[in-house]
Amino acid sequence: SAVISQKPSRDICQRGTSLTIQCQVDSQVTMMFWYRQQPGQSLTLIATANQGSEATYESGFVIDKFPISRPNLTFSTLTVSNMSPEDSSIYLCSVSGGTGELFFGEGSRLTVL
Amino acid sequence: GENVEQHPSTLSVQEGDSAVIKCTYSDSASNYFPWYKQELGKRPQLIIDIRSNVGEKKDQRIAVTLNKTAKHFSLHITETQPEDSAVYFCAASKGDFKTIFGAGTRLFVKA
Repeated sequence: SAVISQKPSRDICQRGTSLTIQCQVDSQVTMMFWYRQQPGQSLTLIATANQGSEATYESGFVIDKFPISRPNLTFSTLTVSNMSPEDSSIYLCSVSGGTGELFFGEGSRLTVL
Repeated sequence: GENVEQHPSTLSVQEGDSAVIKCTYSDSASNYFPWYKQELGKRPQLIIDIRSNVGEKKDQRIAVTLNKTAKHFSLHITETQPEDSAVYFCAASKGDFKTIFGAGTRLFVKA
């Protein structure tokens, strides 16, 4: 298993600003995944972050809106840029255990006013 | 890309009864099918999984079945207890570990 720490755990932000979410893993992992979970909804994959290369974004998500950094094998950041109320959501960092199962951080609950 | 459909969206059962949640997937290349449980305010956690070379897997009160031909897989919970109340997500992935989730089923177990 992997222990994943995310911060901030929650934040309230103003429209038009940006927020960076940090994800720290207690072991080296090749792939990290960022998900969004809107209130009462499922988990939607935003992007896959590999160390040393650009993140791979899913349909509907673009780098300008959700820039991702992956400077090493234990850390990643997701920035939500130029926020609007529609970005209010829980953002989850996750890593694979090596055989397919995912381990999740506790999530970052973002409210945009 | 992969698409996972999940039914029902809400399920209410009496304590001690069984609960069944069904999912279908679209990508025949998917080979790993996990189920996650998410309690209110908590992160999703894996409860059981099945791979494409297996038709059924059981872990105490929880079982999962897979029909590759029909691209269906199901979660079965027997002897339900109030602590089973949560949201359950099915998911599918291929060798790249990119996991696509179903819409979720909110299970209520009434005491």
